[in-house]
Amino acid sequence: DAKTTQPNSMESNEEEPVHLPCNHSTISGTDYIHWYRQLPSQGPEYVIHGLTSNVNNRMASLAIAEDRKSSTLILHRATLRDAAVYYCILSSGGYQKVTFGIGTKLQVIP
Amino acid sequence: DAGVIQSPRHEVTEMGQEVTLRCKPISGHDYLFWYRQTMMRGLELLIYFNNNVPIDDSGMPEDRFSAKMPNASFSTLKIQPSEPRDSAVYFCASSRRDSGKLFFGSGTQLSVL
Repeated sequence: DAKTTQPNSMESNEEEPVHLPCNHSTISGTDYIHWYRQLPSQGPEYVIHGLTSNVNNRMASLAIAEDRKSSTLILHRATLRDAAVYYCILSSGGYQKVTFGIGTKLQVIP
Repeated sequence: DAGVIQSPRHEVTEMGQEVTLRCKPISGHDYLFWYRQTMMRGLELLIYFNNNVPIDDSGMPEDRFSAKMPNASFSTLKIQPSEPRDSAVYFCASSRRDSGKLFFGSGTQLSVL
């Protein structure tokens, strides 16, 4: 299974943009890149996903490298409520065999 | 929509006891997943169902774990007998085939003493 690599933790100042990186050098042509986040004491929640093109939604933007071996989740203006663990995962249509791993713990500083 | 509903929210039991965790997926979702989360291993997939049928249980740690989905609106994860190393947060999630999105419940915090 294709793996992803993320930094264990990151910090950001409130109201500043945050760029969360993810490396997935063994991604296959059919793998979608998904991002989830997990707030304290809650289950993970979907953030965004994409295949090749950059994607935007009300929560975030996803920038995908041209070779698809890396991607970046962009929070345009971090708030205290964005403090969470962010997971980057690959899926080719289902979540079979997908392990979320440890993710990146984002700390937002007031 | 109420989302994925799990019960109980917290469970404390003694080693050797049977534990049953429950999950109600979102109506209309045809996939159901059970995950376990620990500090050491992160979020791991235990088993998933498609249209109430178990498809892959290779993530189930051992025979003490079993999962059932008797109908489209209910699933259970049972541990018998429970051991202290089973202490973790267990999440249930559901999805619709073409959505590309998983919806998670709030989890069950299990503590086995």
